Order: sequence, then structure tokens, then C-alpha cells
Amino acid sequence: AQRVTQPEKLLSVFKGAPVELKCNYSYSGSPELFWYVQYSRQRLQLLLRHISRESIKGFTADLNKGETSFHLKKPFAQEEDSAMYYCALFSSNTGKLIFGQGTTLQVKP
Amino acid sequence: DGGITQSPKYLFRKEGQNVTLSCEQNLNHDAMYWYRQDPGQGLRLIYYSQIVNDFQKGDIAEGYSVSREKKESFPLTVTSAQKNPTAFYLCASSMGEVQPQHFGDGTRLSIL
Repeated sequence: AQRVTQPEKLLSVFKGAPVELKCNYSYSGSPELFWYVQYSRQRLQLLLRHISRESIKGFTADLNKGETSFHLKKPFAQEEDSAMYYCALFSSNTGKLIFGQGTTLQVKP
Repeated sequence: DGGITQSPKYLFRKEGQNVTLSCEQNLNHDAMYWYRQDPGQGLRLIYYSQIVNDFQKGDIAEGYSVSREKKESFPLTVTSAQKNPTAFYLCASSMGEVQPQHFGDGTRLSIL
């Protein structure tokens, strides 16, 4: 079955602390993975995709095919990083984007 | 700044009533999508359309219907057959199926 799992509903850290939002996937082919973010009172928007290998707003995500993971990391969290984060997998079999349940990141001052 | 416009922002439905949620995009995107967002469940795909006059059911299509008569428009009708319609509905579009999706502000549907 094709599935995306984000095991943490809520992740709370202090400003300046490292952040890792976990994402595990189940997919038989070569995965196309994304991270989307929804800040308070803003639209859901793309944060990054694994094929771009970019760092956006200090966040990076590395695809680990052995562990079937695509964790989102940032070395030093900022208060403005507080948001809902969704990991998503594109399934070429179905042409659909499969979203995880989302993780709320709360960065405390 | 344009992009994707969803209307209305809030919608109330009476028992036995069909309601239609509007989604318009000016991004010249071929693909459009409707998602339902419930707390703790992430986004679930209702319907999607890769091209005008064609659409496919997503994972939770029962009780919903769509049309794609124009490239820029993809309205969603929540029918009386949908027994639990209270949710936040998001519309999205993309250049193609593997391209990043752009989302609207959403419509919150409630039952009177």
C-alpha cells in the first residue's frame, strides 16, 4: 500500500533548538517526495521537494531509501517556523499526491 | 495576487441540500484537485482533473461531484448523499501531475 506516515501530531521546541519532523513512506517505485507548510492564516504552500535538493528557509530534507524516510530538518528553529507541516508522496501509479497526517511545529521563545 | 480563488470562505448547508464550492485559477494550470482537510487526518483527495472535460475520483469521492468544463474552473458539489460534510475544503492546481500544487484559501462547510 502507498502511504505516508508522520508519527508526531505535535512537536514543540525552544527557539534555537534543532528540529526534525519525521516522515516515513511506503511505496514500491522511485518516490517523488514533497514537504508542504501552512503558516497561521496563510495558504498551504510548497516548502521543498527532494529532487531540488534545496535548502528553503534553512530547512533541508534528505531522502533515505533504505529507511524509506524523508525527514525535514533545521539546525536552529525560529519562532516564525511555527506552522503545520505536511509530507507528501507522488504516486506515479495513480497520478495522485498522498499526504501524511501533518505535524504541528510549535517553536517557543 | 491571483492564483487560486475559492469561494465562499464559509458555507452552511441544510439537511437534504446540495451546495457548490467554487474554485477558479488564473495560473493556466492543466491539473486541478479537491481535498478535504479534517483534524488529525491530513488532506484526503476527493476528485482531480488532469485536463478539461475529464476528471477522476479520488479516495473519498462518495457524496461529491465535480465538473471541468473550463480550464480555469473546477467546482465541487457536496450532495445530500454526503452524510458528514462538515470539513475544510481545499482546491489546488498544478502544471502537471508531478508538479508542485498551488492551493487556495479554502472553504469551511458547516451543517445548519
